[in-house]
Amino acid sequence: DAGVIQSPRHEVTEMGQEVTLRCKPISGHNSLFWYRQTMMRGLELLIYFNNNVPIDDSGMPEDRFSAKMPNASFSTLKIQPSEPRDSAVYFCASTRRGANVLTFGAGSRLTVL
Amino acid sequence: GQQLNQSPQSMFIQEGEDVSMNCTSSSIFNTWLWYKQDPGEGPVLLIALYKAGELTSNGRLTAQFGITRKDSFLNISASIPSDVGIYFCAGQPTQNSGYALNFGKGTSLLVTP
Repeated sequence: DAGVIQSPRHEVTEMGQEVTLRCKPISGHNSLFWYRQTMMRGLELLIYFNNNVPIDDSGMPEDRFSAKMPNASFSTLKIQPSEPRDSAVYFCASTRRGANVLTFGAGSRLTVL
Repeated sequence: GQQLNQSPQSMFIQEGEDVSMNCTSSSIFNTWLWYKQDPGEGPVLLIALYKAGELTSNGRLTAQFGITRKDSFLNISASIPSDVGIYFCAGQPTQNSGYALNFGKGTSLLVTP
């Protein structure tokens, strides 16, 4: 089992650019979560999906953020346009629906200049 | 989500010392989880607790689910340098609901040889 796979691991971009972060959950897991980690706020839930359907996106900061899960093995988190305050580590995690033990990816560290 | 208060925020100890950290919630949780995050990686599950009063060990780690269901404790005995990292508590208010976890802000542990 390759675990939860995230890409890119690091991204540096300029303010205003579009950023797309990608996640491949563990095969067989049908719940997927996007978290953002910063020093100030810790781990914040942005959005989660059950069976590819977004269930709760109340943590998405604003309209600049969007997430999709077109199929059971792929999800994207997009920021457009990006701002310096979006700089953070973004984690994807997955689990079997109804289970509560999340398996995290290694994260995508985003720096917006 | 519910606020989790984790303390202490950081600890700086010598190798061989025991470590205690705790997490409290303003409301009742049915599940408590403890994760560890190594630098540059995602959080990894250490211990899962599902019943009030439950005491569970994983090697030198011991965690307890508080009787009030509003708190949990993690102890590390005889610390070693590889214990360095950030320890997160996480809780779920409803069992097997598919709701995402709420995370504490973490306890940063530094161990000197």
